[in-house]
Amino acid sequence: ILNVEQSPQSLHVQEGDSTNFTCSFPSSNFYALHWYRWETAKSPEALFVMTLNGDEKKKGRISATLNTKEGYSYLYIKGSQPEDSATYLCACLDNYGQNFVFGPGTRLSVLP
Amino acid sequence: DSGVTQTPKHLITATGQRVTLRCSPRSGDLSVYWYQQSLDQGLQFLIQYYNGEERAKGNILERFSAQQFPDLHSELNLSSLELGDSALYFCASSVVPTGPNYGYTFGSGTRLTVV
Repeated sequence: ILNVEQSPQSLHVQEGDSTNFTCSFPSSNFYALHWYRWETAKSPEALFVMTLNGDEKKKGRISATLNTKEGYSYLYIKGSQPEDSATYLCACLDNYGQNFVFGPGTRLSVLP
Repeated sequence: DSGVTQTPKHLITATGQRVTLRCSPRSGDLSVYWYQQSLDQGLQFLIQYYNGEERAKGNILERFSAQQFPDLHSELNLSSLELGDSALYFCASSVVPTGPNYGYTFGSGTRLTVV
């Protein structure tokens, strides 16, 4: 069973700070990784779809990188804003799986 | 609004009872997935359907069952409910069965409380 880990579990930053967090997964048989943003009382929303080693994706102030050889992805937020407060989930798919396995998430709180 | 509709939003029921959760996928999506999120746990995959057929099964209890109907909506049936079944149940949909390039569209979830 694919094991997806995320760190840290939670994070508090001040408005304007840049921050990053990690998603770790087994590097063997990697197929795809997706990042989701989940605001309280809403549904998770897809942020990035990443499949190739070295992939870098960007959406506004949020970007992500992927290293499939060492089994990790970083999510970066530049100049955090209170509206960035959410739980950030990564989900991985291996060559054998027919469903994405989600990590436990990193809960980000941006303080004004 | 993501386009995935889940009903009801909240449900409170007693132990031993049976409930049905309903999901209508986003228009055009053929695959439906059910996930459970219990307290302090990540999203746990339960089951997947594609165009009416069961495609993959995760850690779904025998007391739970699901189906996808010809109009592509799906229902998750939970029976002989226990306190530990209290959780947020999410439905997600996608155009094709799980694939590397297609993210899921999630509904807003059904919060089930068993008392």
